[in-house]
Amino acid sequence: DTGVSQDPRHKITKRGQNVTFRCDPISEHNRLYWYRQTLGQGPEFLTYFQNEAQLEKSRLLSDRFSAERPKGSFSTLEIQRTEQGDSAMYLCASSLTGLAANEQFFGPGTRLTVL
Amino acid sequence: GDSVTQMEGPVTLSEEAFLTINCTYTATGYPSLFWYVQYPGEGLQLLLKATKADDKGSNKGFEATYRKETTSFHLEKGSVQVSDSAVYFCALSDPASGTYKYIFGTGTRLKVLA
Repeated sequence: DTGVSQDPRHKITKRGQNVTFRCDPISEHNRLYWYRQTLGQGPEFLTYFQNEAQLEKSRLLSDRFSAERPKGSFSTLEIQRTEQGDSAMYLCASSLTGLAANEQFFGPGTRLTVL
Repeated sequence: GDSVTQMEGPVTLSEEAFLTINCTYTATGYPSLFWYVQYPGEGLQLLLKATKADDKGSNKGFEATYRKETTSFHLEKGSVQVSDSAVYFCALSDPASGTYKYIFGTGTRLKVLA
């Protein structure tokens, strides 16, 4: 399967702990996005990479959140000092550039539960 | 800023009924429009898309037409099945944003009864 993959699929942590999620995009896709989806809501944009450059961050991304995409391949999203309000599904998506930039392909998501 | 408004759910229909889920949008530029579906326990799957005015996207019996004059992209299906039970999200991607990030609606849950 050559789709977008995310790891882990589920993460349960205690408040105050740090967590890190990984996303592996479709191999030829140079655009990568992170979204957050809370219960009963649509996904909300968090941040965007083109290759290794992080070009936009949402105001939703507080100082406790950091994302990287070294070498323009996989990406990681780290949350420091987790809070109960961080509990959500974290979705990764990737796309091509140019005319095909519009269509994003989503991974299965990482469900985070903060106790 | 850009936004997407969907009709609230849940929508409950009997099998073979006609489905309409309303979606309207506001955008700075000339966006592309999408419908995604999320089945229980699964990720988002692209259902259909349209990139310019009067385009009709279609897939698996679902259709939606990009109406620029009414800024709408309503999802329709002539005869729903139990297997169509899922949450449906309308989304836009505005090239004017530079990033092509998606703006999603809140989702509409569809339940189809046998």
